[in-house]
Amino acid sequence: DTGVSQDPRHKITKRGQNVTFRCDPISEHNRLYWYRQTLGQGPEFLTYFQNEAQLEKSRLLSDRFSAERPKGSFSTLEIQRTEQGDSAMYLCASSYEMLAGANTGELFFGEGSRLTVL
Amino acid sequence: KNQVEQSPQSLIILEGKNCTLQCNYTVSPFSNLRWYKQDTGRGPVSLTIMTFSENTKSNGRYTATLDADTKQSSLHITASQLSDSASYICVVSVSAGNNRKLIWGLGTSLGVNP
Repeated sequence: DTGVSQDPRHKITKRGQNVTFRCDPISEHNRLYWYRQTLGQGPEFLTYFQNEAQLEKSRLLSDRFSAERPKGSFSTLEIQRTEQGDSAMYLCASSYEMLAGANTGELFFGEGSRLTVL
Repeated sequence: KNQVEQSPQSLIILEGKNCTLQCNYTVSPFSNLRWYKQDTGRGPVSLTIMTFSENTKSNGRYTATLDADTKQSSLHITASQLSDSASYICVVSVSAGNNRKLIWGLGTSLGVNP
């Protein structure tokens, strides 16, 4: 399977704990996105990388959230001191863009990591 | 304000019937428009990407139309199947200088009953 893979698929944690999600994009893709989606809503943009550079962060990404993409390959999204409001599906997507500022490539999504904070 | 509105919010049809989902956007300047299908609990899957110059684009039983003048798009599903039950999300790419953003609609939830 050469699609976008996310791990873990499901995570249940207690409030205050830290969690980390991993995303492995399609190998030839240079763009990687993180989205958050709650029930009945569309995906909300969190951040994206062009290769290893993090080019934009949403206001949704509080100081408890951090994302990395070392070496421009896989990415991790860490949430520190989780709150019940962080319960959501965290989606990763990748695409190939020739130009840094472009947004014309097709996005390929992973199956998501569902977080439940008790 | 850049917005994407979809209608209806939800729809139930019988297997074999056709249906049309609507997307209106107030986005400027426009770059491209996408339709995604999202099954419950899974990631979205791209159906079509349409640029300003494209009026219609098909992907199997899915046909998307785009009217850039009225800023409307539709997704027509022909001969629906049970597996078409999903959320269909319209996404518009905004062009802003050297950066572009994706504006997501809330989706139309489609249920296909036997």
